[in-house]
Amino acid sequence: AQSVSQHNHHVILSEAASLELGCNYSYGGTVNLFWYVQYPGQHLQLLLKYFSGDPLVKGIKGFEAEFIKSKFSFNLRKPSVQWSDTAEYFCAVIPSGGYNKLIFGAGTRLAVHP
Amino acid sequence: EAQVTQNPRYLITVTGKKLTVTCSQNMNHEYMSWYRQDPGLGLRQIYYSMNVEVTDKGDVPEGYKVSRKEKRNFPLILESPSPNQTSLYFCASSVDRGRVYNSPLHFGNGTRLTVT
Repeated sequence: AQSVSQHNHHVILSEAASLELGCNYSYGGTVNLFWYVQYPGQHLQLLLKYFSGDPLVKGIKGFEAEFIKSKFSFNLRKPSVQWSDTAEYFCAVIPSGGYNKLIFGAGTRLAVHP
Repeated sequence: EAQVTQNPRYLITVTGKKLTVTCSQNMNHEYMSWYRQDPGLGLRQIYYSMNVEVTDKGDVPEGYKVSRKEKRNFPLILESPSPNQTSLYFCASSVDRGRVYNSPLHFGNGTRLTVT
């Protein structure tokens, strides 16, 4: 079945460590890609998005993601995490022709210890 | 302040007792959608609406109804709730009708529903 896969359900890091969260999708054709973040007790907020052009996308709060078409991946990275990055992160995809349907991955819970 | 407002934030009910979760946005957005969030499953779309009086099923519409009589409101109705509908529900809206990819979704703060 077509899907969005996030490999890590839980990640625990110390402050200043580097972060990479994996996201793979199984849709062919043109896709639009997103990362959303949900801080504890809050609603989802958009971190960054990719539609076309430079496959390295920069978002808010120092996050970036790289679209690798050959690997069907859109991994999220941050060189140095902070305690305030503790949150749940969701990768999401709008597949080709599905302009109304945003399909989410299962999410990755990140805990950053001071 | 631009926002999506859901009510109530928390709701505990019993099987079979009809309930409505309200959603209202003040941004004049055309597109609105309901999601449920479950551990290990992420967010799954229940219903969406591209405009007033236009609604369509998402991935998990069974057991839910919606209506879009006004642009700002998009209530989620559970006619006969069951325990498997215990979940965290989010309403979202977007400015672009039919071009969700081109504008971010604005989410409400969520409604945590427990059905016993």
